[in-house]
Amino acid sequence: DQQVKQNSPSLSVQEGRISILNCDYTNSMFDYFLWYKKYPAEGPTFLISISSIKDKNEDGRFTVFLNKSAKHLSLHIVPSQPGDSAVYFCAASHFGNEKLTFGTGTRLTIIP
Amino acid sequence: SQTIHQWPATLVQPVGSPLSLECTVEGTSNPNLYWYRQAAGRGLQLLFYSVGIGQISSEVPQNLSASRPQDRQFILSSKKLLLSDSGFYLCAWSGGTTTYEQYFGPGTRLTVT
Repeated sequence: DQQVKQNSPSLSVQEGRISILNCDYTNSMFDYFLWYKKYPAEGPTFLISISSIKDKNEDGRFTVFLNKSAKHLSLHIVPSQPGDSAVYFCAASHFGNEKLTFGTGTRLTIIP
Repeated sequence: SQTIHQWPATLVQPVGSPLSLECTVEGTSNPNLYWYRQAAGRGLQLLFYSVGIGQISSEVPQNLSASRPQDRQFILSSKKLLLSDSGFYLCAWSGGTTTYEQYFGPGTRLTVT
């Protein structure tokens, strides 16, 4: 049972444009959501998170949007840069749970 | 600041041989510790997690085991490796139940031949 889904395995975006990565979840208990970025042969790096009491969180070029009614979150990267080329994972958890549930990842390629 | 170490970085082992991967965390106390595996082209699979010394929770039944002999040390082991154990193994830590963010180590690439 895949509780966190990233339906797009890959995405290509022109440098300077907006990259939008999507994530859907099924477990209504999830109340905290995170995005990680992963380069090949390295550990994932925490990017940005959002609590379910918010619908938007911004950090520099990265913005995460949460739509609780649709059980959907998205990560916007503006403007996209070549160094953003990586695999992006969304993850979710809920209060009292020591674990994160990860999606399967989306490979983002920024085209110069 | 907190730092997480994993070693070795790469490992090539024959089928049937034992395995020991080590992970240590610096700069924090009583962290939650996690072992993940990423198979080729796949997502992150949680293998084990620990909320304290000697406390291990297993997520996936298999021929791997984990131990936490010290507060900031987490060890992944196997008595006999299988070909299917090949993958990228990641250790992570978090601050406990008050924070959700997990921070990952650099990973170990294991190839079983």
